[in-house]
Amino acid sequence: SYVLTQPPSVSVAPGKTARITCGGNNIGSKSVHWYQQKPGQAPVLVIYYDSDRPSGIPERFSGSNSGNTATLTISRVEAGDEADYYCQVWDSSSDLVVFGGGTKLTVL
Amino acid sequence: EVQLVESGGGLVQPGGSLRLSCAASGFTFSSYEMNWVRQAPGKGLEWVSYISSSGSTIYYADSVKGRFTISRDNAKNSLYLQMNSLRAEDTAVYYCARDLATGMAYWGQGTLVTVSS
Repeated sequence: SYVLTQPPSVSVAPGKTARITCGGNNIGSKSVHWYQQKPGQAPVLVIYYDSDRPSGIPERFSGSNSGNTATLTISRVEAGDEADYYCQVWDSSSDLVVFGGGTKLTVL
Repeated sequence: EVQLVESGGGLVQPGGSLRLSCAASGFTFSSYEMNWVRQAPGKGLEWVSYISSSGSTIYYADSVKGRFTISRDNAKNSLYLQMNSLRAEDTAVYYCARDLATGMAYWGQGTLVTVSS
């Protein structure tokens, strides 16, 4: 089955840029969606179709996807960005939705 | 305003059954595909099941195939998850979530299912 690999944790200082990766075999051929989840809350979609932002999501959030890696980039990181982030794809070969293991973003 | 409200969670013994519901409002429910996604305590997100807008297409995660059944009643704006032969590893918060192709843009607040003797 298709596997998405994320780093367990990423740390960044306020005002800097955080990059969270999501690795998968030829993931560049798939559409990647990213979710933010804060403790005790439901996930929130922050990026869809690799790089599109839903309404209400700050422009500081961006995404890219090529080859075997998709990346969520958060610019000018704020304390309120501290959360778990998950990537997700649809694996058409197996008709399964796949989530990455999640990355905990810590704002130093 | 789009709202998804799950219900039906609770404590159940191993081998038991439970039926979750998700009440939808604020959008034309019959036009949208739906999912169940779960999260075990302290763990990541795990997709459970998908159903198309008409109910004609259904998919399941391997971990629940043959034990769980997803369904919907478009007249009642409701999504369901019938869970049978429950195991300890099914303990999780269960979320219903709208859409798939464009990402799951709307989520409920979740309902906790605890499988324990």
